[in-house]
Amino acid sequence: AQKVTQAQTEISVVEKEDVTLDCVYETRDTTYYLFWYKQPPSGELVFLIRRNSFDEQNEISGRYSWNFQKSTSSFNFTITASQVVDSAVYFCALTTIGAYSGAGSYQLTFGKGTKLSVIP
Amino acid sequence: DTEVTQTPKHLVMGMTNKKSLKCEQHMGHRAMYWYKQKAKKPPELMFVYSYEKLSINESVPSRFSPECPNSSLLNLHLHALQPEDSALYLCASSQDPGTSGLSEDTQYFGPGTRLTVL
Repeated sequence: AQKVTQAQTEISVVEKEDVTLDCVYETRDTTYYLFWYKQPPSGELVFLIRRNSFDEQNEISGRYSWNFQKSTSSFNFTITASQVVDSAVYFCALTTIGAYSGAGSYQLTFGKGTKLSVIP
Repeated sequence: DTEVTQTPKHLVMGMTNKKSLKCEQHMGHRAMYWYKQKAKKPPELMFVYSYEKLSINESVPSRFSPECPNSSLLNLHLHALQPEDSALYLCASSQDPGTSGLSEDTQYFGPGTRLTVL
């Protein structure tokens, strides 16, 4: 079975600070995909990034960056120079394919989410 | 354009009412999903449609009845709900259902319907 742990339940930062959201995953499969979604108060889950298990390159998109480390099973998300509009719940998610996934193959396993509040 | 639309945005219903939630996507995706999300929890998968056929039902009570009239539309019919069914209902779609109805493709979510059952 797969599991995603987001140990930080809530984080508060002052605007313009950098913040890192942690994500640790567990799976026995060697092929898997990791995702980050943003859920603002309006409710919509907004897709941010997808990364497959064979691509450990870090990615930067504007103020957002992601650090994927297979050695520590982590896929952390950093927001640089945070803004009030970044206030949301952020979910890390995992989908796996392979011998150990069984009937759960490809199902999105979400972490419990981290609520980020950016204070002006 | 990665847009999934859902109507209504908010719905309040009594336990004896019958109502429907609607979801639409025009991205040519062939897999569509219903999720239920309670406050401060992650979304939970309810149903998966693959090529307009129901491929996964996560043991959802029969008072929730999904329907996929065509490849762009997904409905969720509600009847005799309980107050504990109050939640945010999210629809999602992805491009390729694979053989099981699920794949590694990214799921794109709609804005959700906030349902309150009195």
